Amino acid sequence: GAGVSQSPRYKVTKRGQDVALRCDPISGHVSLYWYRQALGQGPEFLTYFNYEAQQDKSGLPNDRFSAERPEGSISTLTIQRTEQRDSAMYRCASSPPLVGAKVADTQYFGPGTRLTVL
Amino acid sequence: KQEVTQIPAALSVPEGENLVLNCSFTDSAIYNLQWFRQDPGKGLTSLLLIQSSQREQTSGRLNASLDKSSGRSTLYIAASQPGDSATYLCAVSDTGTASKLTFGTGTRLQVTL
Repeated sequence: GAGVSQSPRYKVTKRGQDVALRCDPISGHVSLYWYRQALGQGPEFLTYFNYEAQQDKSGLPNDRFSAERPEGSISTLTIQRTEQRDSAMYRCASSPPLVGAKVADTQYFGPGTRLTVL
Repeated sequence: KQEVTQIPAALSVPEGENLVLNCSFTDSAIYNLQWFRQDPGKGLTSLLLIQSSQREQTSGRLNASLDKSSGRSTLYIAASQPGDSATYLCAVSDTGTASKLTFGTGTRLQVTL
């Protein structure tokens, strides 16, 4: 079946512009996560949703970053007034409904959006 | 704050060798530990997930072990192949924030012919 998709795959923008990154999770997955990955580093948690509710946004670097998932499916990560330090790979992941006593499950990652801020 | 470290940062081995990748974490109160594979231009692929109550998981030529009390995990790859060349990432989820993964910086593996 289809995996997690992200668009655009590449985004080049000028400093000060706003950007919106989209994530389409695997059908039926209720949890959705956003991570940011700098070159040569592991992904760093930004935020996550269960259905449409944002459960944890502790990883968002500052108030220029926001995320939404209004209908519990597609999510958008928005960065306002972009800065060069925002340049990174932005990765989205989703996970299925929890079964039994599980409180977490395997996360399935999309290909990422490479953001470059000039 | 949980910190995850992976050693070595890079590794090159000839085809057919067995190898071990290491992961260590500072806070032993984890819910689970996952090993991922990352290929250039692609997403991360989950290889193995070990719950905190488990000691190891196996999938084909891969075996991952977990020693929660010492804060360590190893990924063993048997009979390595050129197709195993990739970056391998270790990630843990903490008991209190089980849905949030903390990743290591990865081990870049190259298997040569």
